[in-house]
Amino acid sequence: DVKVTQSSRYLVKRTGEKVFLECVQDMDHENMFWYRQDPGLGLRLIYFSYDVKMKEKGDIPEGYSVSREKKERFSLILESASTNQTSMYLCASSLMGQGADTQYFGPGTRLTVL
Amino acid sequence: LAKTTQPISMDSYEGQEVNITCSHNNIATNDYITWYQQFPSQGPRFIIQGYKTKVTNEVASLFIPADRKSSTLSLPRVSLSDTAVYYCLVGERSGGYQKVTFGTGTKLQVIP
Repeated sequence: DVKVTQSSRYLVKRTGEKVFLECVQDMDHENMFWYRQDPGLGLRLIYFSYDVKMKEKGDIPEGYSVSREKKERFSLILESASTNQTSMYLCASSLMGQGADTQYFGPGTRLTVL
Repeated sequence: LAKTTQPISMDSYEGQEVNITCSHNNIATNDYITWYQQFPSQGPRFIIQGYKTKVTNEVASLFIPADRKSSTLSLPRVSLSDTAVYYCLVGERSGGYQKVTFGTGTKLQVIP
């Protein structure tokens, strides 16, 4: 079974702090994604990466950056956390293929910025 | 990206068959249709995927008409544990990545 793990289930930070959210997958997947999920808005893609050191902006990249130094690890960085970044953050990975992709999700990190 | 439209919520009694329909009028030739399930405080989980006609697995069936402008997820004899949000996605390939958009999904409440 594919396993996607996230470093924390719950996190509380203060406004202005630098925040790191870590995601690790164990299935050698090329693609990795970061989403945020807010009530009434569904899942929105922040960034994705299709290879080591490669990244692409998703639909809402503002206020975030990412890092992918190793294939199995994809980090989301909030350079200066703000209260409007309070949300559930979900990491996913998928295998690069010719047909449709299946994304495997981690359990999520619920981040609260005070 | 093809936009999807699905009901915001549905209620069903235990033991009934549940059908959730998703509209995707501008689906492209190469797009696949995928459904995910999400329980509270968990990430979404893949349920089923199809391109045309009918697909069945141990969890659900997916019916896709010939014009592919809609699809129906069918859950046989639901139980309380099927209470979740169900997302319909249509994706297109962009290089090595399939671009998809998660909407707000359909919140299914199974009633005892």
